[in-house]
Amino acid sequence: KAGVTQTPRYLIKTRGQQVTLSCSPISGHRSVSWYQQTPGQGLQFLFEYFSETQRNKGNFPGRFSGRQFSNSRSEMNVSTLELGDSALYLCASSSSGGYQETQYFGPGTRLLVL
Amino acid sequence: AQKVTQAQTEISVVEKEDVTLDCVYETRDTTYYLFWYKQPPSGELVFLIRRNSFDEQNEISGRYSWNFQKSTSSFNFTITASQVVDSAVYFCALMGIQGAQKLVFGQGTRLTINP
Repeated sequence: KAGVTQTPRYLIKTRGQQVTLSCSPISGHRSVSWYQQTPGQGLQFLFEYFSETQRNKGNFPGRFSGRQFSNSRSEMNVSTLELGDSALYLCASSSSGGYQETQYFGPGTRLLVL
Repeated sequence: AQKVTQAQTEISVVEKEDVTLDCVYETRDTTYYLFWYKQPPSGELVFLIRRNSFDEQNEISGRYSWNFQKSTSSFNFTITASQVVDSAVYFCALMGIQGAQKLVFGQGTRLTINP
């Protein structure tokens, strides 16, 4: 089975722009979660989607949003980019999103905001 | 609130030495899962192990072993006879029943194995 894929792998944007990141989960997985990783804050949970519905949300401003499509692929969007949004954005998928399930991560999208 | 603490920021050892990575957690959930992930320089988090709160048996997988002690809220990870390929950042994480599919990560331990 193919793993979680994320596109693009690298992205450079300037302040004020918006960006959309894409994640394709492992085939058959219906839950997709997003995490932000920065040197200062570490790995932080952004949100989780299951069956096109957001079930969980972390403590991030409304500039961070996401969605999930009927094929379980997910996108996250960051509007009005700030320098502090520079980070590695990781997507993870699990089968049905139960609390006991393991999340499998993609390679991440490295975003640099100038 | 849930919290995971990895007090060791960086560890450096010589190849073939044994090394233990510490993980201490806090949660009010009575049912929860603990995880270890490895992050090589490429950035992808690689799943290593999952342990539920009711199973305190230690686990061994090749050179890797894990010691779960509920009494001290610890879930430590030992690499025996370390190899250069073990160099990576290792994360301990917690998922409770209240925050389904929300992993709470520790700050990570950067492990460097020197030849």
